Amino acid sequence: GAVVSQHPSRVICKSGTSVKIECRSLDFQATTMFWYRQFPKQSLMLMATSNEGSKATYEQGVEKDKFLINHASLTLSTLTVTSAHPEDSSFYICSARFTGREPQHFGDGTRLSIL
Amino acid sequence: GENVEQHPSTLSVQEGDSAVIKCTYSDSASNYFPWYKQELGKGPQLIIDIRSNVGEKKDQRIAVTLNKTAKHFSLHITETQPEDSAVYFCAASPSDYKLSFGAGTTVTVRA
Repeated sequence: GAVVSQHPSRVICKSGTSVKIECRSLDFQATTMFWYRQFPKQSLMLMATSNEGSKATYEQGVEKDKFLINHASLTLSTLTVTSAHPEDSSFYICSARFTGREPQHFGDGTRLSIL
Repeated sequence: GENVEQHPSTLSVQEGDSAVIKCTYSDSASNYFPWYKQELGKGPQLIIDIRSNVGEKKDQRIAVTLNKTAKHFSLHITETQPEDSAVYFCAASPSDYKLSFGAGTTVTVRA
């Protein structure tokens, strides 16, 4: 089946550091990738949607200068959390979709902890 | 936007019994309803999905039903096993695009 790989799985870093998370679709070309944030015991909250070769669309309340998204190819999207602070600590999950008729397939998430 | 409500928030069942999770949605334009299973520390995994032109879909021990008139859909797991223990999320989408997720149901299967 479709596989989405997310890296790294866990990041612990100091406040002020910028962190990059990669999301790769391994066996299909993802026309659209999504980035979600999940707090403990809560649901997934969509942060932004990215289509290959175009700027990401951010959900209301998500700072685009804080969460930089790049979708440079059909198999790779990156999320960079710039100047991370403790309140940015969360579980970040990406998903990818081949076409509009296909379901979203999720990566295994990245646990980000900012000290 | 779409608002999805999911009940119950927790569900404990005896192994072998059935589990039912219910969701309602608000946007009548929604036409795609996936269900995801999330295990601890992992990303959600699609277990079954249904589109609005179908009322019911079954895959082995898992089935989903959809009532468009009432705007609700349900997940049914029969003959539950310990490995079914996880958090289950329903979702709805009006355009096969963005998903709006329910709050999740923590299912515990007692051996």
